[in-house]
Amino acid sequence: GESVGLHLPTLSVQEGDNSIINCAYSNSASDYFIWYKQESGKGPQFIIDIRSNMDKRQGQRVTVLLNKTVKHLSLQIAATQPGDSAVYFCAETSNAGGTSYGKLTFGQGTILTVHP
Amino acid sequence: GAGVSQSPSNKVTEKGKDVELRCDPISGHTALYWYRQRLGQGLEFLIYFQGNSAPDKSGLPSDRFSAERTGESVSTLTIQRTQQEDSAVYLCASSLVPGSAEAFFGQGTRLTVV
Repeated sequence: GESVGLHLPTLSVQEGDNSIINCAYSNSASDYFIWYKQESGKGPQFIIDIRSNMDKRQGQRVTVLLNKTVKHLSLQIAATQPGDSAVYFCAETSNAGGTSYGKLTFGQGTILTVHP
Repeated sequence: GAGVSQSPSNKVTEKGKDVELRCDPISGHTALYWYRQRLGQGLEFLIYFQGNSAPDKSGLPSDRFSAERTGESVSTLTIQRTQQEDSAVYLCASSLVPGSAEAFFGQGTRLTVV
């Protein structure tokens, strides 16, 4: 799932399989993490978020896991469907102990392709 | 409108010309972000407005780039003397802060410099 250089990593799965998309973040001060889905020609769309006081959060068909020790985030999609095909980005931010959050820093993204 | 609106959706300009991109955030959202996304790449942070605080301009790539926001409303991103490497999709997002960092994105403006 980590990207190197200019090309996004890719993940191809069959419909019905579970998908796992990984992301490594760099800022140990980050305390809020978000996964976004971006379909072709559209802006990123919020999927699920997690705060640093948690290590797992579940949504509908999606689960986010956070490992702060190694600064790693993953998105698990259960029973992947063709409509899940998109680019997936993780994003991190920090409120630096205050009440509001600063800029979102995005990872490079992973292209998920789901084959029927 | 219900979402973040950006205009124009597409812009083709000649090298050396100035362009202005517009973003209408979701009403009531105090935070506004501009990002750049080159083809096949991730989102590159440009600038962040948060209420009446000084904007975080740390992502602007050069002094040809500038952005303004009036209060908690419309923002414009201006690129002067455009270069071919400025060609990208420029995405705007807004979020309701404090309390949430969930950002809602517009469709983007696809800028092509020829």
